[in-house]
Amino acid sequence: GENVEQHPSTLSVQEGDSAVIKCTYSDSASNYFPWYKQELGKGPQLIIDIRSNVGEKKDQRIAVTLNKTAKHFSLHITETQPEDSAVYFCAALGGGKLTFGQGTILTVHP
Amino acid sequence: DAGITQSPRHKVTETGTPVTLRCHQTENHRYMYWYRQDPGHGLRLIHYSYGVKDTDKGEVSDGYSVSRSKTEDFLLTLESATSSQTSVYFCASQGDLNTEAFFGQGTRLTVV
Repeated sequence: GENVEQHPSTLSVQEGDSAVIKCTYSDSASNYFPWYKQELGKGPQLIIDIRSNVGEKKDQRIAVTLNKTAKHFSLHITETQPEDSAVYFCAALGGGKLTFGQGTILTVHP
Repeated sequence: DAGITQSPRHKVTETGTPVTLRCHQTENHRYMYWYRQDPGHGLRLIHYSYGVKDTDKGEVSDGYSVSRSKTEDFLLTLESATSSQTSVYFCASQGDLNTEAFFGQGTRLTVV
């Protein structure tokens, strides 16, 4: 089955800096890669996703890149703000089910 | 947001007792999932469903069973609860593969 590895497990940045979270996946047939943000006490919410026929996607301060050859994808957050502090999860869709990474706790210091 | 609710939100139960968690969605989504969330492990898939009465096991299915008799409801049963099943459980639903999966607010289960 699919295996998703996510790094780093914790990330601390100053407000205004950029943050990058990286994930690798094992199933070359996986074709959909969403990123979720989870705030304290809530369920995860989709912030951006990318499909295997696209190399990069941007939405305001958030971007995701996908390298199918290397089987890795990354989340980039620019101009970070304190409200970006949360747990972020990457996921890969393979074999008809979503497999998640271990999560990254992002802390943005004012 | 998609209408997906979990019940109960919190539960404390004793070791050895059966427990059923309910997930209800109002979006007529075909796919539904149960995950557990534990520190250091992210979200791990317990069971999933790709239609009424169509379910399959995830990576941590031992000790859990599911049922889906209606599109809108997906039940997770702990047949005989153990302390290792203390966790936060999330349900999710998805209309089609390769589209957004919507999560419920979670159920915090404590087995004492």
